[in-house]
Amino acid sequence: GAGVSQSPSNKVTEKGKDVELRCDPISGHTALYWYRQSLGQGLEFLIYFQGNSAPDKSGLPSDRFSAERTGGSVSTLTIQRTQQEDSAVYLCASSWGVNTGELFFGEGSRLTVL
Amino acid sequence: AQTVTQSQPEMSVQEAETVTLSCTYDTSESDYYLFWYKQPPSRQMILVIRQEAYKQQNATENRFSVNFQKAAKSFSLKISDSQLGDAAMYFCAYRLYNQGGKLIFGQGTELSVKP
Repeated sequence: GAGVSQSPSNKVTEKGKDVELRCDPISGHTALYWYRQSLGQGLEFLIYFQGNSAPDKSGLPSDRFSAERTGGSVSTLTIQRTQQEDSAVYLCASSWGVNTGELFFGEGSRLTVL
Repeated sequence: AQTVTQSQPEMSVQEAETVTLSCTYDTSESDYYLFWYKQPPSRQMILVIRQEAYKQQNATENRFSVNFQKAAKSFSLKISDSQLGDAAMYFCAYRLYNQGGKLIFGQGTELSVKP
């Protein structure tokens, strides 16, 4: 596609439910990144992929968070047993390579946990 | 650990005037990049300008320029001839030269532009 596409744009869920957030990167971009932006805060790194592998998962806040990428393209961020503190905007970005090039961001998925 | 600090939560500028947003960072590394990103209400982060730490010359992009002071670990953004479309959140960010897209962001500065 022309840009990084994320879905859903907004998601409201009940505490304890599982959610999946999807990211479709720019075609040809090998690197993909997930960031979290809590209300009034800067962006917090979660995980990045080079191809289908995730060399750095250091930012995932707990084992309730996981992510995968298939076919070197679409990525899914899954949050299990959601908690209210998981409420945030989850931003995805992609780039041509890990150490080269500009990061192109999507418009994010706003998650609200009631 | 590397940190990025933006000490101005909010700034305001008159249209056509100049405004400077401040950013300081803390690192013991010598090879890194610094960035300014703009985030309008659409939430999409847009790269405004980038600076390689090894370059002494300050980066410029049209109306946007930086004042990079490596010894002081300071990286301010100057917006000249401010336009209404410049109103947004601005984030300063840092990454190590060999650490891919693992950006470390400041808390952001919300810029408003008065007509």
